[in-house]
Amino acid sequence: AQSVTQPDIHITVSEGASLELRCNYSYGATPYLFWYVQSPGQGLQLLLKYFSGDTLVQGIKGFEAEFKRSQSSFNLRKPSVHWSDAAEYFCAVYLGGATNKLIFGTGTLLAVQP
Amino acid sequence: GAVVSQHPSRVICKSGTSVKIECRSLDFQATTMFWYRQFPKQSLMLMATSNEGSKATYEQGVEKDKFLINHASLTLSTLTVTSAHPEDSSFYICSARVGARDTQYFGPGTRLTVL
Repeated sequence: AQSVTQPDIHITVSEGASLELRCNYSYGATPYLFWYVQSPGQGLQLLLKYFSGDTLVQGIKGFEAEFKRSQSSFNLRKPSVHWSDAAEYFCAVYLGGATNKLIFGTGTLLAVQP
Repeated sequence: GAVVSQHPSRVICKSGTSVKIECRSLDFQATTMFWYRQFPKQSLMLMATSNEGSKATYEQGVEKDKFLINHASLTLSTLTVTSAHPEDSSFYICSARVGARDTQYFGPGTRLTVL
C-alpha cells in the first residue's frame, strides 16, 4: 500500500545548527513529492517539490531536499536553522491515476533552542 | 501567486446548528479542491475531493450528508457542517490545484468549535 513515513515525531535543534528531517515513501510509480510546513493554527505552506529532473531540489527559506530512489527517501535539509523555523513539517506524495490525491506523513515537530 | 483563502478563520456554534466554511482560490482557477480535517497534533485527514460542477467524492468513513460540499465555480468551494455536534470540533483546511499533477495550495484553515 502507498504510504509516507516520517520516523521522527519531534526533533529539537539549536539555532544555527544543521537540520535533516527524514521522509520515506512507498509507491510503485515515479513519485511526485512535497514538503510542507505548518505554523501553529495555520494552513500549510509549500516548501519545495520534486516532480522530475535534478534530484536535489531547492525550496524557500533556505531549505533543500534530495530524492533518492534507491532508498525511497526525500529528506529535507537546512544548513543553519533559525528560531522562526520552529513548526510542524509534513512530507507528502501525490498518488496519481484513479486515486488522484496527496497522502501525508504524520509530521515532524521541530523545536529550535536558542 | 497561488493564494487560497478560507472564511471564517474561527467559528463557534451551538450544537445542532449548521456552519458553512468558504474556500477561495484568489489568483488561479482551481479545477479541483480538497477538504481536510486535522486533529490536534495529528496529520491531515482527507475528507473529500471536489471538482467544479460535479459532486464531491468522499473518503471512506466521511458522512456526505453531514459534510456537504459544493464546488460551484472554479474559485469557490464550500463545506457545510450540518447539525454540528461537539465531536465535529476540529481544524478544517481546504486546498486547491489547477491540474491533476499540479501543486496543491492550502488555505489558512478554519477552527470550528461546537459547544
